[in-house]
Amino acid sequence: AQSVTQPDIHITVSEGASLELRCNYSYGATPYLFWYVQSPGQGLQLLLKYFSGDTLVQGIKGFEAEFKRSQSSFNLRKPSVHWSDAAEYFCAVSTSGTYKYIFGTGTRLKVLA
Amino acid sequence: EPEVTQTPSHQVTQMGQEVILRCVPISNHLYFYWYRQILGQKVEFLVSFYNNEISEKSEIFDDQFSVERPDGSNFTLKIRSTKLEDSAMYFCASSGTLGNTIYFGEGSWLTVV
Repeated sequence: AQSVTQPDIHITVSEGASLELRCNYSYGATPYLFWYVQSPGQGLQLLLKYFSGDTLVQGIKGFEAEFKRSQSSFNLRKPSVHWSDAAEYFCAVSTSGTYKYIFGTGTRLKVLA
Repeated sequence: EPEVTQTPSHQVTQMGQEVILRCVPISNHLYFYWYRQILGQKVEFLVSFYNNEISEKSEIFDDQFSVERPDGSNFTLKIRSTKLEDSAMYFCASSGTLGNTIYFGEGSWLTVV
């Protein structure tokens, strides 16, 4: 069955520290991979996406993610976290020919001043 | 930047009542979606819509749910007889092409009492 796993439910980091949020997927076809961010009471904002090509993708707000096919992973990283990055982060997977995304359960990020 | 807009942002309804959630997708998009997120849970796919018909739907999207594109700009989700378990944030989304990036609205929070 297709699935997306975000192993960390909560992560707390200090402002200025580096961040890595994990995402693993189980998908039979070549995946399209996404990271979305949701601030409290807000909608889902796309941070970045991977369809093909360079496995290291850059997104908005200084985020990047690396697709590793051998590990079925698409981890999100940021070298220096800002207090405004506190939010919930969702990894999602899709593939060509389907209309739906499968989302992970999310990782809630807390940033300490 | 074009965006998906949803109304209402929050609705409280009594169990058994009909609810219509409205969405205005991005103007040149052709694929439309509804997702929902029960409080504290993952975002789940409900239905996709293309060329004035449902393209794909999940097991959640039963006979109580329907979607419609009544004119050239709006896309609606109707829940005929709401249940307590329908309480959730409902996200409308649209995309330009199949499997491409989906853009989400800010959500409509439905509370069934």
